[in-house]
This record gives sequence, structure tokens and C-alpha cells, in this order.
Amino acid sequence: AQKITQTQPGMFVQEKEAVTLDCTYDTSDQSYGLFWYKQPSSGEMIFLIYQGSYDEQNATEGRYSLNFQKARKSANLVISASQLGDSAMYFCAMREGYNFNKFYFGSGTKLNVKP
Amino acid sequence: EAQVTQNPRYLITVTGKKLTVTCSQNMNHEYMSWYRQDPGLGLRQIYYSMNVEVTDKGDVPEGYKVSRKEKRNFPLILESPSPNQTSLYFCASSFLALAGGAYEQYFGPGTRLTVT
Repeated sequence: AQKITQTQPGMFVQEKEAVTLDCTYDTSDQSYGLFWYKQPSSGEMIFLIYQGSYDEQNATEGRYSLNFQKARKSANLVISASQLGDSAMYFCAMREGYNFNKFYFGSGTKLNVKP
Repeated sequence: EAQVTQNPRYLITVTGKKLTVTCSQNMNHEYMSWYRQDPGLGLRQIYYSMNVEVTDKGDVPEGYKVSRKEKRNFPLILESPSPNQTSLYFCASSFLALAGGAYEQYFGPGTRLTVT
């Protein structure tokens, strides 16, 4: 079974609107971490936001927030007020295992922001 | 400046010719890891290391070797590269997680490898 599933290969959003990128995960561990990374066309991996499995509140970082629904095993990324510079590939990832040594990525969602 | 460096950034080689991709970090991170990125598959973990002389397999270790003799360096070795190892490779590092938490990884710029 896939550890991380991102079901939206590509998405379009109008500039200044909000967009939600979906992510579901699969783990039997009680302790794990969920991450979102952004990969612009230049190729580097940029860390956006982190949610711990024991965190009761949804994580927020500026225009990014993580909608964490533990019972549904989902960790959707919400980007508010989209900007043209948000056009990129977005990866959901999970870290689990002894000392969090295993790291799993989804297949990614390509976001295009339209002016 | 805190960073992870990889060399080379681009490499074209032929089947069977041994190669090494270097990775170095200056953040005193215990944990280092290698990934390959292929279209439609995201990033997949090849090997990871939790400290000097401690390495273990990720999801796709076949055809790769690693070593961790110094804390800052974690080279990836392809002893007999094949065309199916053509990919974009990333090295990453982080602190080891404390109980109840996990640290984000810092990624290198990537190495684009083509094996003909």
C-alpha cells in the first residue's frame, strides 16, 4: 500500500484565491511527522510546513496551513491568497519509524496559478 | 550559510562505469539520506544514515552503496550504473528526531544523472 497518496496530479487556481492540495497517509505508528515541500521549476526542495502526530492544532506558516484530520489520515495543504510564485510541484511527505528514520513522499501535485 | 552541497550537479555516464556522487552538510546533522526522483513517483528513499558508521536501506537500495565515515559527508556510490538509474538524485540531512517530534530535512540542489 502507498504510504502517501496525492490524488491530484495537476491543479489550476486563480491568483489571489485559496487552494487545497490533498494528501492522505498510511501508517500504524503512533508517532510520525507530516511535511509539505515545494519544488519550483528550478528543482530545489523547499520545506513549507510540518505537523506532528500529537499536535492538536493545525500547523500554520504564513499563507500555508495544514488541515490535519488524524482519524481520516489526511494532511491537506491550504494555500491562501495564491501568488504567481506559488506555481510549482508540491509534495506531501511523512516521517516515521525508529528515530523517524523512514521518509516517504507522495507523487506530487503540480499547481499552476493563473493571473 | 547552512547548506547541503552535492557534486556533480549533472553527470552523463555509460553503463558499468563506477561513479560517486558526493554530499556534504555543514549543520552538524546526525541524519542524512539519499533519494531519487522520477516522474510520477515522487521521491523515493535509497539509503539513510543516523550517524557515523550507521547506515540502512530505504525503499530502493538495489544498485547503490553508501558510506558514512565522517558526520558531514555521505557519498552515494553506483558501482555498475545501468540506464534504469537515470534519475534526479537528492541528498538531505536533518537532526535526529526527539520523542514526539520530527525535524524537516534540508535538501541539496540535486544531481541529474544520465546513464547511457
